[in-house]
Amino acid sequence: DTGVSQNPRHKITKRGQNVTFRCDPISEHNRLYWYRQTLGQGPEFLTYFQNEAQLEKSRLLSDRFSAERPKGSFSTLEIQRTEQGDSAMYLCASSSDRGPNQPQHFGDGTRLSIL
Amino acid sequence: RKEVEQDPGPFNVPEGATVAFNCTYSNSASQSFFWYRQDCRKEPKLLMSVYSSGNEDGRFTAQLNRASQYISLLIRDSKLSDSATYLCVVSPGGYNKLIFGAGTRLAVHP
Repeated sequence: DTGVSQNPRHKITKRGQNVTFRCDPISEHNRLYWYRQTLGQGPEFLTYFQNEAQLEKSRLLSDRFSAERPKGSFSTLEIQRTEQGDSAMYLCASSSDRGPNQPQHFGDGTRLSIL
Repeated sequence: RKEVEQDPGPFNVPEGATVAFNCTYSNSASQSFFWYRQDCRKEPKLLMSVYSSGNEDGRFTAQLNRASQYISLLIRDSKLSDSATYLCVVSPGGYNKLIFGAGTRLAVHP
C-alpha cells in the first residue's frame, strides 16, 4: 500500500497524559499537513511541513502541541497534558510540490479519545 | 463567520435523482477549489477540483463563480453509493493549505 499511513488508528487515554501520533506520507511527497476533525465539522488545518521545515502553524496548535518531521519523511504529532477538548480525529495528508494545485492525499486518521 | 459555509443537510433523495450542493467562501483571494467526499468515519477523498470554466467528471459537475464567491456541485442519476458527506474546500494557494466547510450530508435511498 503506497498511500498515507497513520498510526495508531485509535488512542484512548486519560486526561493529562501525553500522546504521540505518527504519519508516513506517500514516499515522493515532500509536503505534509496535519489536520484535526471533530464530529460534524470539516477538518481544520493544524500545521504544514515542506520537507523537514515546519512552515506554518495554526493558532489552533497550542503550546501543548508539537509536530516534527526530522528527516523530511515521516512526521510525529505530540500532544502534552491532554485535555478532553483534544478528543478528535487527527488526519495527516501529503502532496507533491511539482506543479500547481496538487491534490492532498489523506491517511485514515488517528482517533483520539480523552477519558 | 466561517471561511467556507455549506448547508449541512441532510439531503435525502431517491436513486436516479439529481441533487445540487452549494457553498460560499469568504476569502476573495482564494485560488484553488475542490470538492472532497467523506464516508462515515473515513478519511476525506478528493472528488474533483473546481475550475473557473466549470468542469464535469461523469455524473458530477462543478461550477465556480468567483464574483459571488460561490461553488456548486451537481450530481446526476444519484446512486446508493453516492451517500456520503460532501466537503467544499478552498485554498489560498501557494502550498495549498486546505480550508474545509463543515460538509453536506447526502443520503440516497432505493
